[in-house]
Amino acid sequence: QKEVEQNSGPLSVPEGAIASLNCTYSDRGSQSFFWYRQYSGKSPELIMSIYSNGDKEDGRFTAQLNKASQYVSLLIRDSQPSDSATYLCAVNDRGSTLGRLYFGRGTQLTVWP
Amino acid sequence: DAGVIQSPRHEVTEMGQEVTLRCKPISGHNSLFWYRQTMMRGLELLIYFNNNVPIDDSGMPEDRFSAKMPNASFSTLKIQPSEPRDSAVYFCASSQDRRGLVMAYEQYFGPGTRLTVT
Repeated sequence: QKEVEQNSGPLSVPEGAIASLNCTYSDRGSQSFFWYRQYSGKSPELIMSIYSNGDKEDGRFTAQLNKASQYVSLLIRDSQPSDSATYLCAVNDRGSTLGRLYFGRGTQLTVWP
Repeated sequence: DAGVIQSPRHEVTEMGQEVTLRCKPISGHNSLFWYRQTMMRGLELLIYFNNNVPIDDSGMPEDRFSAKMPNASFSTLKIQPSEPRDSAVYFCASSQDRRGLVMAYEQYFGPGTRLTVT
């Protein structure tokens, strides 16, 4: 069973701050990494994908990948109350070419005004 | 473009009854995944299909659970008989596998079916 671990929450930050969400994974051969956002009562929504070491920026979101350390993170700059949600980290199964992902348990983020 | 479609959105049933959940994947996607989400266990993969063929059903909790994908645009998850511990949100997700390519495997989720078994 592949392991995907996320930093325990909940995480609470003030509006305008940087929120940092972390994820580690056990399968060294994984190549595809994803961050999903899930609002309460809603389904997971894909917000970031990253495949290469380094940073990938999309608006206020930055995903960081370090394959040597088996670590992926999501930074949210200028956090807004609307960012309050649970963030799920997902990693592909190296042993499957058919798209199976392993999900972490999620980190609940609250951004307070 | 239409996303993943699931029905019903809510289902309340009594213990022992049969429950059928339905899913229509995104057109052109050839992998389909059924998940269950609870507070206790998080998001669990139950079964997934590729090109309508079940690939891995090791996550199906019991023989009471079964899933089919008769064609590329429709899948069902059936629970018979249902039990209170089956109460959860069931998600269907789809993706387009791109064999041999690193950049792949983005899964898109449907809105989910909230199942309550009393």
